[in-house]
Amino acid sequence: QKEVEQDPGPLSVPEGAIVSLNCTYSNSAFQYFMWYRQYSRKGPELLMYTYSSGNKEDGRFTAQVDKSSKYISLFIRDSQPSDSATYLCAMRFSNTDKLIFGTGTRLQVFP
Amino acid sequence: DAGITQSPRHKVTETGTPVTLRCHQTENHRYMYWYRQDPGHGLRLIHYSYGVKDTDKGEVSDGYSVSRSKTEDFLLTLESATSSQTSVYFCAISEVAPGMETQYFGPGTRLLVL
Repeated sequence: QKEVEQDPGPLSVPEGAIVSLNCTYSNSAFQYFMWYRQYSRKGPELLMYTYSSGNKEDGRFTAQVDKSSKYISLFIRDSQPSDSATYLCAMRFSNTDKLIFGTGTRLQVFP
Repeated sequence: DAGITQSPRHKVTETGTPVTLRCHQTENHRYMYWYRQDPGHGLRLIHYSYGVKDTDKGEVSDGYSVSRSKTEDFLLTLESATSSQTSVYFCAISEVAPGMETQYFGPGTRLLVL
């Protein structure tokens, strides 16, 4: 079993839809959680960063962490074609800089 | 983009040849990383560095070596390239800000080993 599981998709939605992207993990010691967005043939770029449980909002993006269920989510409101990309979740323990990545979910938003 | 450049951006080489990829950063970050990204595997850490001449192995280090003689440059070498090393290689730096420490990535190098 991988430490971090992520559905590869693709997830295809119409413009304006609310998108939910998810990762599950097996190690309850993870403390920091990140979402990266990766456009085709580009490097990953940091989108959201959260510590422990709870929600964090940034514009149309909301990151949610549920440590009791070992489940993290990224919600995108009013999705746009420019949101079409692969979304990678990542997480780490409190005492290390090493990140553990999910394999990524490919999102397609069509006009 | 955290001031990270990678060179070359694309390379085609033959099995058995040595290959060196370069990562250059302009902002004096201590921590640097090399990853490979493959379908179905996501990003996997090859090697990392905590400073000049301070490097260590990641989870997929076999067949790779690194060097860091200057803060700004982190080199990844495939001593004798194999087809299994065909991949996209990303360099990353770690940035520490109050309440937040995470990694920022370069644009990547696409390597094809024939």
